[in-house]
Amino acid sequence: NAGVTQTPKFQVLKTGQSMTLQCAQDMNHEYMSWYRQDPGMGLRLIHYSVGAGITDQGEVPNGYNVSRSTTEDFPLRLLSAAPSQTSVYFCASKGVRGATWHFGDGTRLSIL
Amino acid sequence: GDSVTQMEGPVTLSEEAFLTINCTYTATGYPSLFWYVQYPGEGLQLLLKATKADDKGSNKGFEATYRKETTSFHLEKGSVQVSDSAVYFCALDQGGKLIFGQGTELSVKP
Repeated sequence: NAGVTQTPKFQVLKTGQSMTLQCAQDMNHEYMSWYRQDPGMGLRLIHYSVGAGITDQGEVPNGYNVSRSTTEDFPLRLLSAAPSQTSVYFCASKGVRGATWHFGDGTRLSIL
Repeated sequence: GDSVTQMEGPVTLSEEAFLTINCTYTATGYPSLFWYVQYPGEGLQLLLKATKADDKGSNKGFEATYRKETTSFHLEKGSVQVSDSAVYFCALDQGGKLIFGQGTELSVKP
């Protein structure tokens, strides 16, 4: 049972490039979320999903897109990378009836 | 909207000192409340949780009680160890979203 898997673990981009951070879970969880972690600012919610086909914006959605075509996958797309998006990104999932969120190991993203 | 406010850090304590990290929340309804811990260079680990008012979560000597009347979930430990040095996050779960406080860095000196 792999839990929540994030790929890649590290990535360096140039300003203006686009990329997709992958998140997959094998626990049949309905809820999935993306966070960014910056020093002194905790984890801020970017986008979240309460089920396949349903997504909504969190606290800091600008510059990011998501989709949820399957229960298992919740990719995060950076459309045109900016240095301000340099951060550590975490994906998390939870079942509707569960109380515990499961986190991936994070993706460390640097934008030059 | 829903939010969590934590005591600002960093907090520096001597080994065996008493720890309190304050956490208050704003939410509609009755959220579940959590404390997460992040050790240096690692990901997030669930430390403890409480799902309804007056519940007490506990783990590894840490405790927190869900106080609806004061909208608080303060983290306490009677005697901290050097190995407790980490960043601690308070969070609430409502409507399929987990909302975090800004984190409190704890440093325990021998």
